[in-house]
Amino acid sequence: QLQLQESGPGLVKPSETLSLTCTVSGASIINSTYHWGWIRQPPGKGLEWIGNIYYSGSTFYNPSLESRVTISHDSSNKQLSLQLSSVTTADTAVYYCARQPIEVAAFFDFWGLGTPVTVSS
Amino acid sequence: AIQLTQSPSSLSASVGDRVTITCRASQGIRSDLGWYQQKPGKAPKALIYAASHLQSGVPSRFSGSGSGTDFTLTISSLQPEDFATYYCLQDYNYPITFGQGTRLEIK
Repeated sequence: QLQLQESGPGLVKPSETLSLTCTVSGASIINSTYHWGWIRQPPGKGLEWIGNIYYSGSTFYNPSLESRVTISHDSSNKQLSLQLSSVTTADTAVYYCARQPIEVAAFFDFWGLGTPVTVSS
Repeated sequence: AIQLTQSPSSLSASVGDRVTITCRASQGIRSDLGWYQQKPGKAPKALIYAASHLQSGVPSRFSGSGSGTDFTLTISSLQPEDFATYYCLQDYNYPITFGQGTRLEIK
């Protein structure tokens, strides 16, 4: 059974770098059938796609965040990573990782539970 | 970026009602649209992918239709567990975008 588990510091200071990890169990993250994505949701607001990483390591980022975001994967540890630099209070959100089958349109089929991050001094 | 506009933004309905939520894309996206249900404090859950395909395990009272720029999610007979927020999503091209959400409340 596939499981995704986000983890990271719940509190980050303004101007610092947010670093999150998504641990994947029950599937290989270098399987060519899937992409892996990060999505976030500010309190009381809607969903925002942050970026995707392909099995090959290629990445696509939301232009609104591209200058500050890095997504990578460590296949040996079955982990995805998200780094967001120069954070502000606007980056306060619940952060989710999710799996996206490549050949299926508009389909994130498995999601982590999400990890809340607060940006505050 | 492709904008997705959902309507209505909120909706009050009763158990047993038929409900339709629409999602309009700012440009044609073929059938590259999905629908997601989110309950408070939970991760989104995929209901429909490729505009009209029902995710495994999702009740058949949920259905999706449309292509190009106009899409609908229909719940044929509302059940108590369906009261939630619904989002559409497109991945026709990057950046992937979501609609602003439709909050479905109990009347």
